[in-house]
Amino acid sequence: GQSLEQPSEVTAVEGAIVQINCTYQTSGFYGLSWYQQHDGGAPTFLSYNALDGLEETGRFSSFLSRSDSYGYLLLQELQMKDSASYFCAVRDGAVKTIFGAGTRLFVKA
Amino acid sequence: EAGVAQSPRYKIIEKRQSVAFWCNPISGHATLYWYQQILGQGPKLLIQFQNNGVVDDSQLPKDRFSAERLKGVDSTLKIQPAKLEDSAMYLCASSLALAGASGANVLTFGAGSRLTVL
Repeated sequence: GQSLEQPSEVTAVEGAIVQINCTYQTSGFYGLSWYQQHDGGAPTFLSYNALDGLEETGRFSSFLSRSDSYGYLLLQELQMKDSASYFCAVRDGAVKTIFGAGTRLFVKA
Repeated sequence: EAGVAQSPRYKIIEKRQSVAFWCNPISGHATLYWYQQILGQGPKLLIQFQNNGVVDDSQLPKDRFSAERLKGVDSTLKIQPAKLEDSAMYLCASSLALAGASGANVLTFGAGSRLTVL
């Protein structure tokens, strides 16, 4: 079967660094994506990892370990506007993109 | 570039009624997805089209849900009859043709259609 696990909630203070973990189990695996969704809004793409290692895009970085079926999203210099839900998603084979349940990030002043 | 268009934004119906949602993807995007997102949960894939063909509908409740993408462009998702548990946001997304093994299938989502079934 397919499953993705991520923490339901994370709280951090403005200016800090936060890491959101994701473990997955799929029948096939092509890559791990991260999406951000603000309340009432649509998910928007943040990053993608197909190979092991770290991908950096501005304040956001994403890491993948295929051997551990594990990845994380790292958010640096947190801002209030980063308060949102973050979803990891896997390409399950060539076709399907499956989303996790999401991690709600609360950024406090 | 215009985004993914969806309508209606909000719909309230009573159980056992029917409802239809419409989606127009980004021009040139061959792949179109319908996801159901219940409040507090992640998006659940209902159906995925590649051009006008279905590539996955394994989680579509086919006794009440149907979807079509007749000309390989816009798409309609229908629910008939609706149940209380169908209350959710229905998200349409599109992407370029499916990427190769190392490519990202970057999904662009529409604003969604929020359905409330009373």
